Amino acid sequence: ETGVTQTPRHLVMGMTNKKSLKCEQHLGHNAMYWYKQSAKKPLELMFVYNFKEQTENNSVPSRFSPECPNSSHLFLHLHTLQPEDSALYLCASSQTGPNSPLHFGNGTRLTVT
Amino acid sequence: AQSVTQLDSQVPVFEEAPVELRCNYSSSVSVYLFWYVQYPNQGLQLLLKYLSGSTLVKGINGFEAEFNKSQTSFHLRKPSVHISDTAEYFCAVRYTSGTYKYIFGTGTRLKVLA
Repeated sequence: ETGVTQTPRHLVMGMTNKKSLKCEQHLGHNAMYWYKQSAKKPLELMFVYNFKEQTENNSVPSRFSPECPNSSHLFLHLHTLQPEDSALYLCASSQTGPNSPLHFGNGTRLTVT
Repeated sequence: AQSVTQLDSQVPVFEEAPVELRCNYSSSVSVYLFWYVQYPNQGLQLLLKYLSGSTLVKGINGFEAEFNKSQTSFHLRKPSVHISDTAEYFCAVRYTSGTYKYIFGTGTRLKVLA
């Protein structure tokens, strides 16, 4: 399997649930990212990990908790979400260095009821 | 603040016609420039990138873009579109040093009509 794989593809959860999104990359990259994509808004960077260390937290509410156990895996733990958190959550990876493009997964469509 | 502006939120065009999707950015420092495409129910896929050198960059699926430093623009073009080009297109910039942040535009939805 190649590229960036995200699971699940769709997730419906209540506001009191706890769930996790998973991302795995098979590209040998050292940086991994979580983005939130909402309708009619630019992509919002949430978190960046470089060599497993968090290097960016873009003022994301604490109900979103990232975890990066190694350079190939990235998780986003969700708890007590709000309906406005419904969106497409995209994982991406890249080599280190600003000239390296992002490689995206197909995303997890999250609906909070 | 740095920003990326995609002037058109939607562009309808007939099949086999040419298309240009516009992108302007504001930055006081050097940047790298990218165009990504997103098909329905998929993530973003790199179309092309400008890092240095020739200002005309060719990408996948017959797309090309031209970097214009004086106008801070990076417009995407295709001489003849196909139905399969219907998708959303995102322009992005990234600083050449320091932060890992990409700055994305809000996207342009290209609708190719038969």
